[in-house]
Amino acid sequence: NAGVTQTPKFQVLKTGQSMTLQCAQDMNHEYMSWYRQDPGMGLRLIHYSVGAGITDQGEVPNGYNVSRSTTEDFPLRLLSAAPSQTSVYFCASGDLTGGSGNTIYFGEGSWLTVV
Amino acid sequence: AQSVTQLGSHVSVSEGALVLLRCNYSSSVPPYLFWYVQYPNQGLQLLLKYTSAATLVKGINGFEAEFKKSETSFHLTKPSAHMSDAAEYFCAVKKAGTALIFGKGTTLSVSS
Repeated sequence: NAGVTQTPKFQVLKTGQSMTLQCAQDMNHEYMSWYRQDPGMGLRLIHYSVGAGITDQGEVPNGYNVSRSTTEDFPLRLLSAAPSQTSVYFCASGDLTGGSGNTIYFGEGSWLTVV
Repeated sequence: AQSVTQLGSHVSVSEGALVLLRCNYSSSVPPYLFWYVQYPNQGLQLLLKYTSAATLVKGINGFEAEFKKSETSFHLTKPSAHMSDAAEYFCAVKKAGTALIFGKGTTLSVSS
């Protein structure tokens, strides 16, 4: 059971380049989301999805694009990288049922530097 | 919209002292509440969660939190701090069918 898998773990980009952070989960979770973590800001929600074909914006969506064509995968695309997007990115997934099943699982993070 | 406020970005305690990390939430309906811990250069680890069962929730590593609806609070406590508890702690709130929202975090320092 791999849980939530993020790739790559480390990436350096030049300003203006585009790239995709991959996120995959093998737990058949409906809910998936992307966060960025910056010092003193906590984890801020970029985009999230409550099922295949359904996505919504979070707190800081500008400069990022997502799609959810399958239950398992939720890639995050940086359209034209900027130094302000230097951050640690976390993918998360969980089920949407009520009760004790509401655990959210996190990937190990992706460290992105834009120069 | 739901939100989370963590009071105090830094908390310092002595080893063996009580740990109290404060979290207040805002939500129009009863939420699910979580505490996560993050050690340096690592990912997030779930400490405990409240999902409308018992209001006093016990988690890993001796931590517990009490859900108080009247105060909209979910403070994290540990009776006796250990050096290994030094980390960053995040409170988070979630309603059914929506995203998990985090507070800005509290860094806990433990001195000997």
